[in-house]
Amino acid sequence: GNSVTQMEGPVTLSEEAFLTINCTYTATGYPSLFWYVQYPGEGLQLLLKATKADDKGSNKGFEATYRKETTSFHLEKGSVQVSDSAVYFCALSVRVGGSEKLVFGKGTKLTVNP
Amino acid sequence: DTAVSQTPKYLVTQMGNDKSIKCEQNLGHDTMYWYKQDSKKFLKIMFSYNNKELIINETVPNRFSPKSPDKAHLNLHINSLELGDSAVYFCASSQEPRISGNTIYFGEGSWLTVV
Repeated sequence: GNSVTQMEGPVTLSEEAFLTINCTYTATGYPSLFWYVQYPGEGLQLLLKATKADDKGSNKGFEATYRKETTSFHLEKGSVQVSDSAVYFCALSVRVGGSEKLVFGKGTKLTVNP
Repeated sequence: DTAVSQTPKYLVTQMGNDKSIKCEQNLGHDTMYWYKQDSKKFLKIMFSYNNKELIINETVPNRFSPKSPDKAHLNLHINSLELGDSAVYFCASSQEPRISGNTIYFGEGSWLTVV
């Protein structure tokens, strides 16, 4: 089956600390991989994505590399800010007929303190 | 202009009522979705429509009935609401995936509370 496992939160960091949120997946075939972010009280926004092995997705200082050999897509940022406080979701996509669905991890809540 | 818009944003209603959540996308996409986020923030797909045709129906109780009058709209109607239906419901859309990895764009969510 298809599933995504993320590190359990919550994660609390000080501003300018290094962030890693681990994500591993199991999938049939070769899925695309995504990180979505949900800021407090808001909807989901795409943060970055990678569609094939060894691709690196990056946005707003965040990056993640599609590692087929370790079935991982860990999210990293070199220096977090208070405004990065949010819930981060790792997801993979699978095609179903003429559609596509996202299978999400359980989310990791990040709090960044000044 | 909001790409995927859903209304209402907040809805509080009593058990047993029937309610609808509306969704519209102005991106010209072929595919629309409903996802549910439970109280533990876990997100799961409920339905997907492609060009008004139901493609994905993920073991959702038949009290939930999606309706797609056209490609740009996918409404969610819920009959006989139960306490366990309290959740955030997200509408989303994407182009028809000719290859994997199309970005799925989400609306801002509709917070449903059943009392």
